[in-house]
Amino acid sequence: SQTIHQWPATLVQPVGSPLSLECTVEGTSNPNLYWYRQAAGRGLQLLFYSVGIGQISSEVPQNLSASRPQDRQFILSSKKLLLSDSGFYLCAWSAGRTGSYTGELFFGEGSRLTVL
Amino acid sequence: GIQVEQSPPDLILQEGANSTLRCNFSDSVNNLQWFHQNPWGQLINLFYIPSGTKQNGRLSATTVATERYSLLYISSSQTTDSGVYFCAVIGSYIPTFGRGTSLIVHP
Repeated sequence: SQTIHQWPATLVQPVGSPLSLECTVEGTSNPNLYWYRQAAGRGLQLLFYSVGIGQISSEVPQNLSASRPQDRQFILSSKKLLLSDSGFYLCAWSAGRTGSYTGELFFGEGSRLTVL
Repeated sequence: GIQVEQSPPDLILQEGANSTLRCNFSDSVNNLQWFHQNPWGQLINLFYIPSGTKQNGRLSATTVATERYSLLYISSSQTTDSGVYFCAVIGSYIPTFGRGTSLIVHP
């Protein structure tokens, strides 16, 4: 069965420090991968999505970047964190179009980032 | 892009009550999902329901794709049902979420 993991679960970082959040998916190949952010309040904001290795689409211009160095690995990074980067970051996957494409979305456990 | 609206935004129930949550969307979609976000932030898949009706225990969902809405029914609510319920629609690659319904169930 497929599983998704992301880490770290909790992170407290000073303003100006770098960031790296990692997400991996197991049990499937060529997944679509997504990074979402949930700030205080409820909304889920799509940050980046990827349909293949090295293919990254950005939905919102910001202080963050994403990379997909391997088929089932998705990394969210920042060179210098801002206070406004605080939030709950969620990685998700869905089956890619070359496979059994259903579009059903599955989320990781989330990473809670506090920038001080 | 597709617009997704959920109602009501907030709901407070007494344990044992029934409720209906609604999700309206602005365009035809390939897929629709309902999620429950628990107090720890984890998003739990409830239903994948692009059309028709599904049931899982006390929860059921109905999507009428031609009229662009979906309903989530919670019967005999329990305190563990508390949290935020999200509807998400997928037109192509990009899932679009509603702002959610915050549910509090009191004992």
